Amino acid sequence: KQEVTQIPAALSVPEGENLVLNCSFTDSAIYNLQWFRQDPGKGLTSLLLIQSSQREQTSGRLNASLDKSSGRSTLYIAASQPGDSATYLCSPSNSGGSNYKLTFGKGTLLTVNP
Amino acid sequence: SQTIHQWPATLVQPVGSPLSLECTVEGTSNPNLYWYRQAAGRGLQLLFYSVGIGQISSEVPQNLSASRPQDRQFILSSKKLLLSDSGFYLCAWARGTTEAFFGQGTRLTVV
Repeated sequence: KQEVTQIPAALSVPEGENLVLNCSFTDSAIYNLQWFRQDPGKGLTSLLLIQSSQREQTSGRLNASLDKSSGRSTLYIAASQPGDSATYLCSPSNSGGSNYKLTFGKGTLLTVNP
Repeated sequence: SQTIHQWPATLVQPVGSPLSLECTVEGTSNPNLYWYRQAAGRGLQLLFYSVGIGQISSEVPQNLSASRPQDRQFILSSKKLLLSDSGFYLCAWARGTTEAFFGQGTRLTVV
């Protein structure tokens, strides 16, 4: 059974700082790994998808890396802004028989202070 | 483009009442569909997933059931709600093993 751990659970930084969010997972037999953002009371917004054969993926100020063999992924946010404040969730995907299942950790609550 | 609709956004129901939450996807065909629940202070828990019409897999034994009467429609139901059914329910879809997309969620409070 896939287990996902995200560290830190919460992070508060001043605006403009670069930061790293960590994700670890126990089952390395994944199809891919997604990073999501969740604003309070809202659904999840997909940020980045890294295929299992890839090492990293970039979108704007976001860069995600994947070390599948060690069961780790990091999300790097450059030049953080108050609008980046949200909960960030990582989700590795595995096969459940013939199905495709996403497992989630509890996320990292990020607060960027102006 | 693909979109996912989930309703209602909020719901307050008494204990013992029935439940029906609906999710529909537009702009794709034969998606994998998922129901997740997010309880306060906990991660997202996969409740049900479906790979086709009438095909439902349950992840956690519980008071809830799911149905997929049409290709892009996924319904979460209960005959009698319990207090422990309160939470934030999220529907999601994915095409094969590609990127997954989530709806805006339903906040269910059982009183």
